[in-house]
Amino acid sequence: RKEVEQDPGPFNVPEGATVAFNCTYSNSASQSFFWYRQDCRKEPKLLMSVYSSGNEDGRFTAQLNRASQYISLLIRDSKLSDSATYLCVVNLYNFNKFYFGSGTKLNVKP
Amino acid sequence: GAVVSQHPSRVICKSGTSVKIECRSLDFQATTMFWYRQFPKKSLMLMATSNEGSKATYEQGVEKDKFLINHASLTLSTLTVTSAHPEDSSFYICSARRQGGLAGELFFGEGSRLTVL
Repeated sequence: RKEVEQDPGPFNVPEGATVAFNCTYSNSASQSFFWYRQDCRKEPKLLMSVYSSGNEDGRFTAQLNRASQYISLLIRDSKLSDSATYLCVVNLYNFNKFYFGSGTKLNVKP
Repeated sequence: GAVVSQHPSRVICKSGTSVKIECRSLDFQATTMFWYRQFPKKSLMLMATSNEGSKATYEQGVEKDKFLINHASLTLSTLTVTSAHPEDSSFYICSARRQGGLAGELFFGEGSRLTVL
């Protein structure tokens, strides 16, 4: 079983739409959670950490549900520039093991 | 600007040759670096954790004699794909954590696309 699973998409949405991605993880000992963004043929970059209480950064909201072992990312008022692949990342063993989901592709269209 | 630099960005080689990929942290010391492999439309697969001054820790199923990792200094880790074959063709990417940075934030190199003919 994969450590981290995501719906690969693609999610095709119009500008201004709200879109949500979910991600599930298999190891209940997972300690930290993150969303990374990867543009085509580029390296991943940290979008935001995911805290137990949920957290928001502008148009982006991340939630963690430890009981069900999933995390989510909500993007409001989508922009064309939000088009990318969003990677769910789970950390084990206090920052020395990071596992990536396969990514969810988002296409925001005019 | 980039904080982790990876070189070369692209390499094409003949089957049977060895290829070395370098990963450098530019303005910080990295006692630990990570090497990933990514297939098209697939997730980054952790290959190994590179530890400065000691042996790398390989993930299950990754051949340590095939993928040699050396972390000789606090700013440089190298991955050598030995006796490369076409099935080794992939996108290899390194990352490092910067102490004092955001908790858990990984900085990635630009990646190296290996094509074995």
